[in-house]
Amino acid sequence: EAGVVQSPRYKIIEKKQPVAFWCNPISGHNTLYWYRQNLGQGPELLIRYENEEAVDDSQLPKDRFSAERLKGVDSTLKIQPAELGDSAVYLCASSIETGFEQYFGPGTRLTVT
Amino acid sequence: AQKITQTQPGMFVQEKEAVTLDCTYDTSDQSYGLFWYKQPSSGEMIFLIYQGSYDEQNATEGRYSLNFQKARKSANLVISASQLGDSAMYFCAMREYAGGFKTIFGAGTRLFVKA
Repeated sequence: EAGVVQSPRYKIIEKKQPVAFWCNPISGHNTLYWYRQNLGQGPELLIRYENEEAVDDSQLPKDRFSAERLKGVDSTLKIQPAELGDSAVYLCASSIETGFEQYFGPGTRLTVT
Repeated sequence: AQKITQTQPGMFVQEKEAVTLDCTYDTSDQSYGLFWYKQPSSGEMIFLIYQGSYDEQNATEGRYSLNFQKARKSANLVISASQLGDSAMYFCAMREYAGGFKTIFGAGTRLFVKA
């Protein structure tokens, strides 16, 4: 069974540029999560989807971050414009339902210069 | 206040020995779940073990066991017979049912297994 797929694995951009990350969850998993992991810290939730509905986006900086999960499968996380402080690893995870164990993708390491 | 506390930034263990990684948590919920994840240098978070707050038995998964002490609010991970491939970051996490099943991670412990 394929795991959570993310792309790209690495991205280097200049500040003020836009960037987008893509995630394909495990087939059949209804819940999808985007996390940000800063260096030396644990992941912090940005947004959680149940099917196509964003049910928890309280930690998403809505002035520059946006996300979508069309048709309740793939998801895209966008930053526009990027700031230096956005440099981090962005992790996508999925679970069968909310509350069950989460399975993570390899992450996208973003460097903003 | 920190919800999940991992007090050991780094730990060393000799190959084939057991090691305990500490985790304490803070919640007023009666119903919650505790997880441990492993993050090797490749970056992917790997689910290791789960303990529910109502589970009376400590969870075990192969060489991993979770030493759950509810009254002390601790959920330490025990790795038996350490292997070189166990060298990684380990994160403790808690899922609270109140507030919509949010999962909160600790800062992690880096484990080094010596040959």
